[in-house]
Amino acid sequence: SYELTQPPSVSVSPGHTASITCSGDKLGDNFAFWYQQRPGQPPVLVIFQNNKRPSGIPERFSGSKSGNTATLTISGTQAMDQADYYCQAWDSSTANYVFGAGTKVTVL
Amino acid sequence: QVQLVQSGDEVKKPGASVKVSCKASGYTFNNYGLSWVRQAPGQGLEWMGWISIYNGQTNYAQTLQGRVTLTTDTSTSTVYMELRSLTSDDTAVYYCARAKRGLEFDYWGQGTLVTVSS
Repeated sequence: SYELTQPPSVSVSPGHTASITCSGDKLGDNFAFWYQQRPGQPPVLVIFQNNKRPSGIPERFSGSKSGNTATLTISGTQAMDQADYYCQAWDSSTANYVFGAGTKVTVL
Repeated sequence: QVQLVQSGDEVKKPGASVKVSCKASGYTFNNYGLSWVRQAPGQGLEWMGWISIYNGQTNYAQTLQGRVTLTTDTSTSTVYMELRSLTSDDTAVYYCARAKRGLEFDYWGQGTLVTVSS
């Protein structure tokens, strides 16, 4: 089955840049989406269609994709960005969505 | 504003079924589909399925095929998720989320905790 691979954890100092990668065999043919989830809360969409930012999401969140790897970048990381981040993609061959296992971002 | 409001928490015994509702408001219901995602305690997100409000088309996760059914009631703008033959592994928070097929989940419900315990 189709899998998306993320690092389990990323640590970043306040004001610095955090980058989270997401790799998958079919990611090159499909959009990548990114969600932020704080404890006890539902996920929030932060990046859609590889690099678009929804209204209300701070500019410090950006997305990119190269080949089969998508990257979420948080520039000038703030304490409030400490959360779990999940990548997601649509597998058109099975008509299923897939989530990565999630990356815990810790702001030290 | 767009809102997805889910039904309350449930406690079920192994082997039983559960039906969770998701009532939508603030947008044209027929223009979007709805997906269901679950999250076991301390675990990641698992996609369960998607339903088109427009024509009732469904797609289900292969791991849940045969145990999950999504239905819609357009008269009340509500989508239902039924999961059968519950085991303790189905204990999770269940979320509904708005999405067009193959695209992003832009709004999420508040979540419904389903606990399966004897």
